[in-house]
Amino acid sequence: ILNVEQSPQSLHVQEGDSTNFTCSFPSSNFYALHWYRWETAKSPEALFVMTLNGDEKKKGRISATLNTKEGYSYLYIKGSQPEDSATYLCAFIGNTGNQFYFGTGTSLTVIP
Amino acid sequence: GAVVSQHPSWVICKSGTSVKIECRSLDFQATTMFWYRQFPKQSLMLMATSNEGSKATYEQGVEKDKFLINHASLTLSTLTVTSAHPEDSSFYICSAGVEFRYEQYFGPGTRLTVT
Repeated sequence: ILNVEQSPQSLHVQEGDSTNFTCSFPSSNFYALHWYRWETAKSPEALFVMTLNGDEKKKGRISATLNTKEGYSYLYIKGSQPEDSATYLCAFIGNTGNQFYFGTGTSLTVIP
Repeated sequence: GAVVSQHPSWVICKSGTSVKIECRSLDFQATTMFWYRQFPKQSLMLMATSNEGSKATYEQGVEKDKFLINHASLTLSTLTVTSAHPEDSSFYICSAGVEFRYEQYFGPGTRLTVT
């Protein structure tokens, strides 16, 4: 079983604060990394698909970076809003198959 | 676009009974569907991959006779938990793949409780 770790496990921030969290994955046999946003009782929503070392992607106030050589990706949220409260999942895909390996997620709560 | 529905959203059943969970791609055709399971405080773990019209491929440790998967059309896959036991209580979630290496679109999941 391949190990994908996310930290922190949970996070509480005040509205307006910026925050970031980490996804660590194996640095070998990398193919792609996905970030998902998952609100309770809803489907996980795809945020980013990252494939190239050094990739930086942005969607509104959310951005992500990728370092495949050292095996980590950061997700940043600028000026957090209560509607950003969700669990953020990352999923690693290796180049030996099509399986997604998920981390346990970071649960973000933004306090108004 | 790329909406996946899953029904039921929660189900409670008695030990020994079977439960069927449906996964539908509503606005696209999915050649591949994936079934995951998540236990508390753990990550989503792939149970099986199914391609339309062919038998599902199960991950190691997943009993294929217990978790029956049918993918009869490009928009529907079903997971049947046969002779369910309390240890099968979990969160089950499906996803549908278009180009499976890059994108998977998820349903909202099904919470199964076996009493």
